[in-house]
Amino acid sequence: DAMVIQNPRYQVTQFGKPVTLSCSQTLNHNVMYWYQQKSSQAPKLLFHYYDKDFNNEADTPDNFQSRRPNTSFCFLDIRSPGLGDAAMYLCATSGTVGKLFFGSGTQLSVL
Amino acid sequence: QQQVKQSPQSLIVQKGGISIINCAYENTAFDYFPWYQQFPGKGPALLIAIRPDVSEKKEGRFTISFNKSAKQFSLHIMDSQPGDSATYFCAASSRGGTASKLTFGTGTRLQVTL
Repeated sequence: DAMVIQNPRYQVTQFGKPVTLSCSQTLNHNVMYWYQQKSSQAPKLLFHYYDKDFNNEADTPDNFQSRRPNTSFCFLDIRSPGLGDAAMYLCATSGTVGKLFFGSGTQLSVL
Repeated sequence: QQQVKQSPQSLIVQKGGISIINCAYENTAFDYFPWYQQFPGKGPALLIAIRPDVSEKKEGRFTISFNKSAKQFSLHIMDSQPGDSATYFCAASSRGGTASKLTFGTGTRLQVTL
């Protein structure tokens, strides 16, 4: 029944050790987004894909990369996680203007 | 100019009462105003949304009031229930290139007491 699926739900990594978070969707939406949400804060957009076209936000650090091999899957790569990157990472999709569907998120801890 | 200001930061309402959360925006290019509900450890879920050509939208116990001239909109939760206890985010969206981008408010943590 889940439409936007994120794995894993919890991810623990070490400082500086690359980590990949995954997202899949069953909605066949053109647009996929990655948001970062820190505790008690609003989600912050990192980047989005329209089909295979990648759109980075101006203030997203180079440490964050993304891949979208096909319509259904999208990955978030954090090349060298720092303590400040500990957060909930949310994947979302959109097929209609403004209407975003979010996954349950991956809670990332950096030790 | 891209900010969406949300208040209050937290709200405690008794069961059966009315919860009211307010948001204000500056960017007149925003053309879609959703509200999201988020429970702890979960992603935000779309609750209700409105476009600027409508002044009010109601879905069940949830109503959005929209004032285009004042650039303000609010969420009213009637007959608030303990199950409504969550964080609520207002948001605003404008078409940016090929996709909509949501600008979120800072969130309101609602607690509904028995």
